[in-house]
Amino acid sequence: DAKTTQPNSMESNEEEPVHLPCNHSTISGTDYIHWYRQLPSQGPEYVIHGLTSNVNNRMASLAIAEDRKSSTLILHRATLRDAAVYYCILRDISSGTYKYIFGTGTRLKVLA
Amino acid sequence: GAGVSQSPSNKVTEKGKDVELRCDPISGHTALYWYRQSLGQGLEFLIYFQGNSAPDKSGLPSDRFSAERTGGSVSTLTIQRTQQEDSAVYLCASSLRRAREVTQYFGPGTRLTVL
Repeated sequence: DAKTTQPNSMESNEEEPVHLPCNHSTISGTDYIHWYRQLPSQGPEYVIHGLTSNVNNRMASLAIAEDRKSSTLILHRATLRDAAVYYCILRDISSGTYKYIFGTGTRLKVLA
Repeated sequence: GAGVSQSPSNKVTEKGKDVELRCDPISGHTALYWYRQSLGQGLEFLIYFQGNSAPDKSGLPSDRFSAERTGGSVSTLTIQRTQQEDSAVYLCASSLRRAREVTQYFGPGTRLTVL
């Protein structure tokens, strides 16, 4: 019952920007969009989240479409350490737990 | 500050044995989640604790799985009579409270291997 759709894999050259897309066409008006990444053999690491406006932090930028049915995570200059699986996540608010519903994510490969 | 910690980091057990996995959430976090990640798969929700409220156990795959949270802090996930299909990485996450915008912080996970 994943709520988000992402490409299975993407490649980028080191030092170049990366745009990771995510579709969430069934998003509700109050759903926040969360992005996490998971490096090999580690737990998921928070990257960024947003509701309607574009967001920037030290790790990345999040561009949210005006209709909120899609978003894009932007890594401004990919490094080898950014190679990971990136998850775009909505929460299950109907059950009251606010648990994350993970999709399959995008595996990002960064080429030296 | 200290993040979410889990122990053990790795656990190898024989089929039919019971195992206990431990999670220490970030101090002051009232919400605690357990997830499971099977090989090459995404994370699936198992159970959720919020303060002193009754836990949401809707994600537990069978009655062999149980969890408790003592004193609103440390949590243990117990798997009885382990099966090979229980082999996975078990991840714990905590958050300051249950809210739409509040992020969850994940521990490093416990890799369980059932022989």
